[in-house]
Parts: sequence; C-alpha cells; structure tokens
Amino acid sequence: QSALTQPASLSASPGQSITISCTGTNTDFGTSDFVSWYQLHPDKAPQLLIYDVTERPSGISGRFSGSKSGNTASLTISGLQPDDEADYYCSSYTSNDRFIVFGGGTKLTVL
Amino acid sequence: QVQLKQGGTGLLKPSETLSLTCGVSGGSLSGYYWAWIRQPPGRGLEWIGHIDQGGSTNSNPSLKSRIIMSVDPSKKQVSLKLSFMTAADTALYYCARVLAKYSIDVWGKGTTVTVSS
Repeated sequence: QSALTQPASLSASPGQSITISCTGTNTDFGTSDFVSWYQLHPDKAPQLLIYDVTERPSGISGRFSGSKSGNTASLTISGLQPDDEADYYCSSYTSNDRFIVFGGGTKLTVL
Repeated sequence: QVQLKQGGTGLLKPSETLSLTCGVSGGSLSGYYWAWIRQPPGRGLEWIGHIDQGGSTNSNPSLKSRIIMSVDPSKKQVSLKLSFMTAADTALYYCARVLAKYSIDVWGKGTTVTVSS
C-alpha cells in the first residue's frame, strides 16, 4: 500500500485542464517542500516534471504546474495534449524513515 | 549530459541474490544520492534505497534486511544486491540520480528482473 494516495485514473479531452491530487500524512509532507512529480510513458525512462512542490526543471513545459496545501499536493496539466497520456506519480520525503515514498500513480487518458 | 547505464542479471530463481550495477557517465558521483527504485508489473514505483559517494546508505525498511548497496568511485559505479529473491520481487528495476531535496532528475533505462523457478 502506497504511503501517498492518488486517484487511480483520470480522463479528459485535448485542450482541457486536469488536476491530479496526492494526499499524505503530516509525516510524509505536512511540513515538507520535498514533493516531486514524474511522468511515465511506456518504454521510456521516467521524467521529472515538478520538484520542490512548484519548480519545473529546464525543458519542462509551463503547462505543468505544482502546488501543495496542507497534506495534499497537486499537479495541474493545462491545455492537454495527446502525448500527455501517461502515468503520473508524486513523491515525497518521509521525515520518519528518511527515505522517499511514492504515490500509487494516476493513469491519465486523453480522449 | 549525465547518463546511467544499468547492468545485471534479469532472470533468477527463488532464494537467489539479485546483482545490479549502474555506471555513471557525463557527470560526477559527488553531490548526489544514487538510488534504486523498482516497479512491479502493473503496480506503482517503490523506493529501494540510496547511497552517496562516501558509501552512506538508507534503505526502505521493508527491504532493509536483504539489501546491500555499494559504490565504486574509481569506476563511477553503484551496485545493488538484493538477497532471498521471490516472485514478489519481480519488477523493472531503475537506477537513478537524486538531488539534494530528493527529486530524481536522471533515470536509467531500467532492468527487467524476473524471479521464477
């Protein structure tokens, strides 16, 4: 069982916006800014989309944005494109055990 | 550009020990953690553990008793050994570079590991 809870699946149409939530506990990231988001396409290495809750690595589209409120982090993808169809994972640093936990993943379908 | 080249055995029998290596090219070992992460078929990502250039490690408590991680700075290589493998350990195993605030910016291509008698 994942420490962070994400919706198993979401779907939306091209051009729309969606938000993927990632809920944990105070131990996971209640006071932590060490939240990241990853995109996984089949047969490709995972890609870092967001780090430190809101920051985008160089080369990542501005259509991807992150936020956090309390024990819930969110990834918003605006202007959905067919290539955004992928699995998305959140992660955070757990202060108790001093390692990384992942969410269970969200499968995004762009209809 | 930093690249991670993974190597190791992909097919094991139950109770055998998994041995994986990860060679780092285009960058330094220093200043980063080097992590192992796995994804069982049809399931999510799981953090196995990480190591720094000095050899300090931290592991997932659920796997800690079975894990040995090591680093060879002269070869710019990190290694993972996971003992007493079972079918539940069947997964795609990734090597990855971890930044100071625990985001992962570089991933290897992954090694498919199957445990079957």
